Amino acid sequence: DQQVKQNSPSLSVQEGRISILNCDYTNSMFDYFLWYKKYPAEGPTFLISISSIKDKNEDGRFTVFLNKSAKHLSLHIVPSQPGDSAVYFCAAHRNSGNTPLVFGKGTRLSVIA
Amino acid sequence: DAGVIQSPRHEVTEMGQEVTLRCKPISGHDYLFWYRQTMMRGLELLIYFNNNVPIDDSGMPEDRFSAKMPNASFSTLKIQPSEPRDSAVYFCASSLRARGGYTFGSGTRLTVV
Repeated sequence: DQQVKQNSPSLSVQEGRISILNCDYTNSMFDYFLWYKKYPAEGPTFLISISSIKDKNEDGRFTVFLNKSAKHLSLHIVPSQPGDSAVYFCAAHRNSGNTPLVFGKGTRLSVIA
Repeated sequence: DAGVIQSPRHEVTEMGQEVTLRCKPISGHDYLFWYRQTMMRGLELLIYFNNNVPIDDSGMPEDRFSAKMPNASFSTLKIQPSEPRDSAVYFCASSLRARGGYTFGSGTRLTVV
């Protein structure tokens, strides 16, 4: 049972345009959300996070939006660059104790020059 | 710090053989996680340790899988006997807390033929 769902396995975007990666979750106990980026032959690395008390967090070209009522978050990359081509994982943390992050299946983003 | 170190980077083995994956976490990190990445299931948690103690191994697929953390600087994931369906990339990650700040190793790509 996937508690964190990334329904788009892949996405292609032209350089300079906006990339929007989506993530849905089912567990209302999740209160902290993260995005990780993974290049081939490397481990995932942290990109950006958002707490459930916020609806937006921005870091340079990367913005994460959270819609709690819809149990939906999205990662916006503006403008997209070829170096952004990677697999992006959405992750969530439950607010009860020291439970590990739950990850989605990932979305492969290809930014075309 | 050299980060989380995993070995080997690649492992090809025959069905039925024993496989041991190794991980050296970042010094001072209290949490260690073993994740497996597959196309079908994305990043799934196998087991995690807190202060060298296994906390939750409910993600371990079968009794063929076992993990140990004999001290704060070393952990192993063993598969015995290995099967072709175990083929995947196995990641180790460490963190100061369960909520985030994970540092992943580069992974071990396991192929069972």
